[in-house]
Amino acid sequence: KAGVTQTPRYLIKTRGQQVTLSCSPISGHRSVSWYQQTPGQGLQFLFEYFSETQRNKGNFPGRFSGRQFSNSRSEMNVSTLELGDSALYLCASSLAAGVGSSYNSPLHFGNGTRLTVT
Amino acid sequence: AQSVAQPEDQVNVAEGNPLTVKCTYSVSGNPYLFWYVQYPNRGLQFLLKYITGDNLVKGSYGFEAEFNKSQTSFHLKKPSALVSDSALYFCAVRDRGSGTYKYIFGTGTRLKVLA
Repeated sequence: KAGVTQTPRYLIKTRGQQVTLSCSPISGHRSVSWYQQTPGQGLQFLFEYFSETQRNKGNFPGRFSGRQFSNSRSEMNVSTLELGDSALYLCASSLAAGVGSSYNSPLHFGNGTRLTVT
Repeated sequence: AQSVAQPEDQVNVAEGNPLTVKCTYSVSGNPYLFWYVQYPNRGLQFLLKYITGDNLVKGSYGFEAEFNKSQTSFHLKKPSALVSDSALYFCAVRDRGSGTYKYIFGTGTRLKVLA
């Protein structure tokens, strides 16, 4: 079974531009979440989607947005890029079927997209 | 506020010695607890989780973790470290009490196993 696929692997953008990152979850996984990883801050939760609906949102500005499609694939968009947005962005999927016990399903991570803003 | 603390940025241990990577948490309810490992230039991989029941849970690659409710800790352990265990380890909690079920990660601990 194919793992979580994130594209592209690397991106270099200029301050002020916008960027879209893509994530294809493991087949059958309906929950997709996004994280920002930086050396000093560890993993910061961005948002989680389930069945095309945003289920949870982290403490990031509105420049960060996402969506999920009917095939569970997800995209994350960052507008008006700032230097501080440079990070590794990780997508994860899980076999969450809804509420309750599905919340203890482990996350399966992609290898990430490394975004550099200059 | 909900939080996860990994007090050590780096842990060094000699190969063959036991290792412990510490994690404490502060959440409002009874959390689900997880450990993940990240190898260089890779995404995170699930190691183990605690849901309920036995306080000692066993996971992949010979790792285990001990849940201590009174100390709100979930330390990762391995009886005999291997050089290949060298990686970045993250503790995470999923808070059931708040109703949001958000994932909260620690800042990570870099484990270095010396040959």
